[in-house]
Amino acid sequence: GAVVSQHPSWVICKSGTSVKIECRSLDFQATTMFWYRQFPKQSLMLMATSNEGSKATYEQGVEKDKFLINHASLTLSTLTVTSAHPEDSSFYICSLRTAYEQYFGPGTRLTVT
Amino acid sequence: DAKTTQPTSMDCAEGRAANLPCNHSTISGNEYVYWYRQIHSQGPQYIIHGLKNNETNEMASLIITEDRKSSTLILPHATLRDTAVYYCIVRVAVGNTGNQFYFGTGTSLTVIP
Repeated sequence: GAVVSQHPSWVICKSGTSVKIECRSLDFQATTMFWYRQFPKQSLMLMATSNEGSKATYEQGVEKDKFLINHASLTLSTLTVTSAHPEDSSFYICSLRTAYEQYFGPGTRLTVT
Repeated sequence: DAKTTQPTSMDCAEGRAANLPCNHSTISGNEYVYWYRQIHSQGPQYIIHGLKNNETNEMASLIITEDRKSSTLILPHATLRDTAVYYCIVRVAVGNTGNQFYFGTGTSLTVIP
């Protein structure tokens, strides 16, 4: 199956700063990637659908100006958490879709202090 | 929104078969049943998917009822490494709009030595 990587695997930042998370497809050209967020002991929540070369589509309740998504190439999508606050601390996971399946990255643990 | 119902948790003895049920009574004719699992602090891992027929691969078997309103994931010989949260997801085949994965709460499977 497709291999998805994320960088960094974990990050600690101060409140008010911005953090960029990268999602890379190592062996597949993905026109569509997805970003999820997972709080402790909860399920994954879809945040947005990232489309290569166009604007991302955000799920209801997700602030597009706070969670900036860029999908500039078929192998890279980035999620930038702007002006991070402690409540943004979460596990962020990206995924990509192939013909029949969806593959997930290992996740990025964000802690905002 | 998740369209599946799963038990919150289950235990299984090591070496025995683990049978994880899932109800998807509102499934549409063109929707597939997918199973993923998530080991703690990792991204979800694809297990298996099916439409109508029962499916088997090296990881598991998927049994779908004739009316397709429920399914069961079977891990034939559970090991301690199978301890994870298992998600049952229904979605349309890739290539159609609105085919994102929406995760429910899943079943937390604990394999007991």
